[in-house]
Amino acid sequence: AQSVTQPDIHITVSEGASLELRCNYSYGATPYLFWYVQSPGQGLQLLLKYFSGDTLVQGIKGFEAEFKRSQSSFNLRKPSVHWSDAAEYFCAVGGSENTGNQFYFGTGTSLTVIP
Amino acid sequence: DGGITQSPKYLFRKEGQNVTLSCEQNLNHDAMYWYRQDPGQGLRLIYYSQIVNDFQKGDIAEGYSVSREKKESFPLTVTSAQKNPTAFYLCASSPRSGGTQYFGPGTRLTVL
Repeated sequence: AQSVTQPDIHITVSEGASLELRCNYSYGATPYLFWYVQSPGQGLQLLLKYFSGDTLVQGIKGFEAEFKRSQSSFNLRKPSVHWSDAAEYFCAVGGSENTGNQFYFGTGTSLTVIP
Repeated sequence: DGGITQSPKYLFRKEGQNVTLSCEQNLNHDAMYWYRQDPGQGLRLIYYSQIVNDFQKGDIAEGYSVSREKKESFPLTVTSAQKNPTAFYLCASSPRSGGTQYFGPGTRLTVL
């Protein structure tokens, strides 16, 4: 069965520091991979996605993610965090015939940014 | 402006009542989805629809019902059979089943 693990429930970083949010998935083939961000009381906004090709993908708001097949990981990174990045971040796998065209979400990582 | 709208933003319901959450999209997407979100948990799929007049149960369909009479609309009814309906409900759509999903702003349902 497909699954997504986000090991860090909550992360706190200082403004201007670098950020890495971890995501591991369980699946037999290469899935489609996504990162979404959610502000309190809001819907989810797509940050970036990986379907195929270059394993380093660029997204909005200065975020990037790297797909590592050997580690079944798709970690999200940002070189310098801004206070407005404080939010909940969700990793998702799916969107392909291999996953029954369904999405599977991790439980999320809550990011706090301190000045 | 293209997008997904959900209404109302906040909804209060008495126990034993059915309530319907609205989801509309003008993106011309074929597929639509309903998720439930509880604190500290990820999103759980309630129902999804790949085409008009067709829909499938997700992981937690019990106590919920849907319809898909029009391509742009996918309302969700929370019935009195749903034992713990207080949650944040998110609607999403994608150009085709299995494509990137785009989300609406959500409806927070509270049972009094």
